[in-house]
Amino acid sequence: EVQLVESGGGLVKPGGSLRLSCAASGFTFSSYSMNWVRQAPGKGLEWVSSISSSSSYIYYADSVKGRFTISRDNAKNSLYLQMNSLRAEDTAVYYCARDSAAGKGGCDYWGQGTLVTVSS
Amino acid sequence: EIVMTQSPATLSVSPGERATLSCRASQSVSSNLAWYQQKPGQAPRLLIYGASTRATGIPARFSGSGSGTEFTLTISSLQSEDFAVYYCQQYNNWPRTFGQGTRLEIK
Repeated sequence: EVQLVESGGGLVKPGGSLRLSCAASGFTFSSYSMNWVRQAPGKGLEWVSSISSSSSYIYYADSVKGRFTISRDNAKNSLYLQMNSLRAEDTAVYYCARDSAAGKGGCDYWGQGTLVTVSS
Repeated sequence: EIVMTQSPATLSVSPGERATLSCRASQSVSSNLAWYQQKPGQAPRLLIYGASTRATGIPARFSGSGSGTEFTLTISSLQSEDFAVYYCQQYNNWPRTFGQGTRLEIK
């Protein structure tokens, strides 16, 4: 069974940092691109960042570029999001999501999310 | 950035009836479009990819159509569990972008 479990969320002051983790199991993690998607309270989905299976290709939303860094450790079946210079508008539930297999599209598995609150 | 626009924002439909949700892209995304369903307190669930292919385990009452800039998600006979928020997402270009969502509510 595919499982994605996020951790690392919490309350942080504006300007602070946080590192999110996503532990993957039930599939060959090193074969899939991975994503972070966030959802502010009561709002819609916002794609944040993607990383290819071997970390060769990395993409960011403009809203986080230069502040967030996505990475992965295929030996540990883990995905990360380092978030620096956090702002109130970064407050959201952050989901880890797996890209569908090649030839398909979209994100076929999602974690349950971890809440990040940026507030003084 | 490709802007995805969903309509309507809220759709009220009776159980057993058909629901039609629309998604428009600001430029062509070919058929690289996905639909998701999200219920309160839950993660999104992939329904459709490639604009018209149902994801694994998705009931046949869900169907997608369109290409280029105009897309439709149709739910042929609404069940109680279908009332939720639906999002489209293009994955043709970076950054990937979502529509703002359509809330499907019971009439």
